[in-house]
This record gives sequence, C-alpha cells and structure tokens, in this order.
Amino acid sequence: QKEVEQNSGPLSVPEGAIASLNCTYSDRGSQSFFWYRQYSGKSPELIMFIYSNGDKEDGRFTAQLNKASQYVSLLIRDSQPSDSATYLCAVRGTGGFKTIFGAGTRLFVKA
Amino acid sequence: ETGVTQTPRHLVMGMTNKKSLKCEQHLGHNAMYWYKQSAKKPLELMFVYSLEERVENNSVPSRFSPECPNSSHLFLHLHTLQPEDSALYLCASTRLLAGGVNTGELFFGEGSRLTVL
Repeated sequence: QKEVEQNSGPLSVPEGAIASLNCTYSDRGSQSFFWYRQYSGKSPELIMFIYSNGDKEDGRFTAQLNKASQYVSLLIRDSQPSDSATYLCAVRGTGGFKTIFGAGTRLFVKA
Repeated sequence: ETGVTQTPRHLVMGMTNKKSLKCEQHLGHNAMYWYKQSAKKPLELMFVYSLEERVENNSVPSRFSPECPNSSHLFLHLHTLQPEDSALYLCASTRLLAGGVNTGELFFGEGSRLTVL
C-alpha cells in the first residue's frame, strides 16, 4: 500500500469551476498535512497546510482534513488557467522530519 | 526566487565521474533536505540534516554522499552513478520552532537536473 495516494489525473475543469483534489494516507499517526503546487519544469511550492480536522481557507483555496478517514482534500474555487499544474499532497508523521509525498494530481483548467 | 539556490541547474556525467550538487538557503532555516524526483514517481526523501546533524538517511545507496558544513549549505556528492540515478534532485529547507520542533513546511530550490550516461 502506498503511503500517500492521489489520483494521477489529469483532472480537467472549466475556468470558474471548483477543482477538487483528494489524497489518502496510510499512517494513522500523521500529524501535519500539506499541499504543494508544481508547475511544469519548476519546483514544488507550498500553498496550504493543515494540522487539525475540519476546513482551512486561504483565498480561493480550502484544505479539508478528516483524520478518522485518513483523507485530505484541496478545493480550488473560481479555477483559473494559471492554476493548471500538478498538485502534490504531503504528509508528515509524528515528530521527526520525514515528509512523504504523493505522486501528484495533474490539473488542467480550460479557458 | 525561493530563497533556496541550487547549482548546477543541469549536470551530465558519466558513470565513472565524481561531481557535487550544491544547495544554499538564505531563509535563516536550520533543517535541510535532499529529495529525488523521477518522472511519474513521488518525491523520494534521501537525506535530512537538522542543525547540521544528519537525522534521516532513507536507505540511499552509498554512491550518494551528503555533507552539511553549516545550516545554510548542503552538498550531495555523487560518485559512480548509474543511469537510473538520472532525475531532478531537489533541495529544501524548513524552519525549526523553539525546542527543535519541525514545522514541516518545506521551501524548495529549483532543482538540479542530473543525467547519467
């Protein structure tokens, strides 16, 4: 079983729609959860982090965490063509420095 | 400009060469990481240094040798690599809170694209 699983996509949404990206993880003791955006040919960039169950909103982005279901999601409202990228889910376990990444979901936002 | 600078950006080497990748962070962070990114695979954690001490060594072959002389600099020394080691090598840094607690928020450099012939 992969430690962090994401649908590889591609996920295609029209401009202005809500993009929903999902991630599941296997380590029930995981404490910190992150979403990174990676444009083609670029390095990953942190866009959201969440530590507690529930929702966390930042501008057009909302991260959702459900530890009981071991599930993390990222919602992008009013999607723009500039949001087209690969979105990486990352999970950090109890203490320590080991942050495990999913393989990423490719998002295309059509103008 | 992310505050984490990697050189060289591109490197082509033969299997018998010795080369080094360099990473420098200007963010005042005190933990640094090496990750490997291959096509269609998740980022693979290689090494982590916290306060210049190696704290993670993720079963990486000995042909990769890290060095962290201070909290701002990180090197990855390469020797006798294999073609399957061709990948993007990403350096990242993170801030530690009081008591050495790791925020886990990684700031990546632009990467060094390595090709082994």
